[in-house]
Amino acid sequence: GENVEQHPSTLSVQEGDSAVIKCTYSDSASNYFPWYKQELGKRPQLIIDIRSNVGEKKDQRIAVTLNKTAKHFSLHITETQPEDSAVYFCAPTYGGFKTIFGAGTRLFVKA
Amino acid sequence: DAGVIQSPRHEVTEMGQEVTLRCKPISGHDYLFWYRQTMMRGLELLIYFNNNVPIDDSGMPEDRFSAKMPNASFSTLKIQPSEPRDSAVYFCASSFPDRGNGYTFGSGTRLTVV
Repeated sequence: GENVEQHPSTLSVQEGDSAVIKCTYSDSASNYFPWYKQELGKRPQLIIDIRSNVGEKKDQRIAVTLNKTAKHFSLHITETQPEDSAVYFCAPTYGGFKTIFGAGTRLFVKA
Repeated sequence: DAGVIQSPRHEVTEMGQEVTLRCKPISGHDYLFWYRQTMMRGLELLIYFNNNVPIDDSGMPEDRFSAKMPNASFSTLKIQPSEPRDSAVYFCASSFPDRGNGYTFGSGTRLTVV
């Protein structure tokens, strides 16, 4: 079955620094690559996504890059703020709905 | 739209009791998913429906778990009898893949079985 790995599992950065989280997957049929953010005690929420025909997508301080050949995609957060502190999940998907969630990366942004 | 609505938000029950979790998906979404989240196992897919029909229930832990979707606006996840190891947060999510906009999760039900 699909194998999804996220690295690192925990990331601590200083406010204003950048953070990068990488997700590797095994199923070459995956064609949709979202990232979810889950704050403590809340629901996971979609923050950015990319389709397989695009290499990069940016939305203000967050961006996602995709390397389909190498089967990995990454979340980039620039100018981090304390409110970025959360757990981030990658969720490579194929067929529009067959999704496997990564184990999550806990991001701490120190003020 | 009010989003995906789950009830109850919290449930505390005694071992052996029946527990029913409820979910109302976003109108027009044709996929509905039930997930369980624990610290040890992360987000686990239990079952998903397409157009009210169960498609894959291979994630349902055992026969004590059952799920139904009698119509497009309502789904239930039932645990009977409940056990302490069922304690977790249960999320319902819905999606409309033709729009490719990912999942919208409900607020979750925090279940504690004592």
